[in-house]
Amino acid sequence: SQQGEEDPQALSIQEGENATMNCSYKTSINNLQWYRQNSGRGLVHLILIRSNEREKHSGRLRVTLDTSKKSSSLLITASRAADTASYFCATSQAGTALIFGKGTTLSVSS
Amino acid sequence: GAVVSQHPSWVICKSGTSVKIECRSLDFQATTMFWYRQFPKQSLMLMATSNEGSKATYEQGVEKDKFLINHASLTLSTLTVTSAHPEDSSFYICSARHQRRTNEKLFFGSGTQLSVL
Repeated sequence: SQQGEEDPQALSIQEGENATMNCSYKTSINNLQWYRQNSGRGLVHLILIRSNEREKHSGRLRVTLDTSKKSSSLLITASRAADTASYFCATSQAGTALIFGKGTTLSVSS
Repeated sequence: GAVVSQHPSWVICKSGTSVKIECRSLDFQATTMFWYRQFPKQSLMLMATSNEGSKATYEQGVEKDKFLINHASLTLSTLTVTSAHPEDSSFYICSARHQRRTNEKLFFGSGTQLSVL
């Protein structure tokens, strides 16, 4: 089953611009995570935000979490061509598997 | 850091044959491992949860007799696709939960691309 829904499904921007992706989910969560996947390859863990956190930063990444709205956003600042990939949010409850959203395909052109 | 090794990275097989995929946690013990499947341009779908020493729990719609999961030790889980057919062609990826870090992120293998001819 899938819980998260990413928005937009696809995003095309120029290098240097910021990219914002949103994720909504349906049930209560323990934490929410964002992953990146380059075409046909494995997952790269980007950031984990716990249910009691509202915002988290890691380098050019900024993640917010609004548990009242059951939503999260991932902001990539000053994007680069190397950021081109699919981005997935994933949620879990305590001790359970990660459930992935449908993903956002980001294309960054130079 | 915790590393999960998945093997093979890719496999091509004939229709009707069986394929085994291994998932190993290299430097930690994992009481629970998860198996996901991903079709082209789609998201990862959870197939089953594998607990060491017990039967796997399959998600709705996943045939347990077709996708055999064995988790015989704290560091190894295997997924066997039995009597594979072209519609089983997909990217399969495993993940492991660290035995002592249960509320943190899962650790993922690099995935296996299965192509059934």
